[in-house]
Amino acid sequence: NAGVTQTPKFQVLKTGQSMTLQCAQDMNHNSMYWYRQDPGMGLRLIYYSASEGTTDKGEVPNGYNVSRLNKREFSLRLESAAPSQTSVYFCASSGARAVEAFFGQGTRLTVV
Amino acid sequence: GQQVMQIPQYQHVQEGEDFTTYCNSSTTLSNIQWYKQRPGGHPVFLIQLVKSGEVKKQKRLTFQFGEAKKNSSLHITATQTTDVGTYFCAGNRNTGFQKLVFGTGTRLLVSP
Repeated sequence: NAGVTQTPKFQVLKTGQSMTLQCAQDMNHNSMYWYRQDPGMGLRLIYYSASEGTTDKGEVPNGYNVSRLNKREFSLRLESAAPSQTSVYFCASSGARAVEAFFGQGTRLTVV
Repeated sequence: GQQVMQIPQYQHVQEGEDFTTYCNSSTTLSNIQWYKQRPGGHPVFLIQLVKSGEVKKQKRLTFQFGEAKKNSSLHITATQTTDVGTYFCAGNRNTGFQKLVFGTGTRLLVSP
């Protein structure tokens, strides 16, 4: 049972480059989320998808776009990476009546 | 927007000592969840509190939800080295869809 799978685990980008972070869950969950984690800041919600076909902005959406490709997959795209986007990115999912959010292993992104 | 603050940011204890982290929300919550993140790992769900004044225990861990549903605490009795990690509270204002706002976290270090 894989749970929530994120790829890649590590990435280094140059300023201005673009990339897509992939996330897939195999728990048939309706809701999926992208968070970023910075030292001393906790986890901040970037975007979320309450159900397949819908996406919404979280606390810190600027510089990001998302796609809910199907019920399983939710990707996060950085169109023009900036050093301020250096962070650890976590994808998470939760079910319609599930109490908890399940997190992926994280993607450590460095923008130089 | 909704803000969730946690104190302290960091605590270093000797094994066997007790530990408490406090969580305060700027708005009334529908429920609150607690997560633990080991160094280099991802957040893992511990518990959810829903009712005003609720107290739940998991072995050495005691969780409380305030009467006004705006604050919560996690108390660990007789810490062990396996308790090392960062503890996050996550508040939710919605009664259905879980849109969690995470606290800033408390990092716990336990010395043997």
